[in-house]
Amino acid sequence: DAGITQSPRHKVTETGTPVTLRCHQTENHRYMYWYRQDPGHGLRLIHYSYGVKDTDKGEVSDGYSVSRSKTEDFLLTLESATSSQTSVYFCAISETSAYEQYFGPGTRLTVT
Amino acid sequence: AQKVTQAQTEISVVEKEDVTLDCVYETRDTTYYLFWYKQPPSGELVFLIRRNSFDEQNEISGRYSWNFQKSTSSFNFTITASQVVDSAVYFCALSEATAGAGSYQLTFGKGTKLSVIP
Repeated sequence: DAGITQSPRHKVTETGTPVTLRCHQTENHRYMYWYRQDPGHGLRLIHYSYGVKDTDKGEVSDGYSVSRSKTEDFLLTLESATSSQTSVYFCAISETSAYEQYFGPGTRLTVT
Repeated sequence: AQKVTQAQTEISVVEKEDVTLDCVYETRDTTYYLFWYKQPPSGELVFLIRRNSFDEQNEISGRYSWNFQKSTSSFNFTITASQVVDSAVYFCALSEATAGAGSYQLTFGKGTKLSVIP
């Protein structure tokens, strides 16, 4: 299995508070991704990174920011959490952008 | 319009039956990749297969087989002699080139929930 961890695995927070989710990989893959999974929507791309300090927006990037200061770490920040950001968040990695992505275990975030 | 359509939201079969999960995709690219992922009740996402647009050969892996037909833009997944452990949500996905940075992006279908009843 690809070495991908996510922290925290579960988090409950209040509306308006900042939240940072961390993704850590041990595979030295260039590409890293953040998705959210919601019932009826499948998986939707939030942001992705194609190298250290190189990031770009995905389909549902509003309200989210990311940073990648090291190859192995990709952080997702909700600057001011809202209830609509209650979701399961998955991090993924891939060697090339075209090929399969390997997913972390997910973080369940609840915004009350 | 959806780029990846999995028309079957939920399917139930009795153990040992064969089941086919449908996937229809839409792209203008000539080079693209198709994938299937499995998400069991435990929640993790497991990669099953990748096919590229130039290879229409069907693939078989144990009880799993995949039928890729460019003429109908379909990439269907068949499980033969289903087992309870096959119960999961299965996602079909399409990877196609994007405008920026020469990279590809993965677009998922909404998934098909398969329940295998003992």
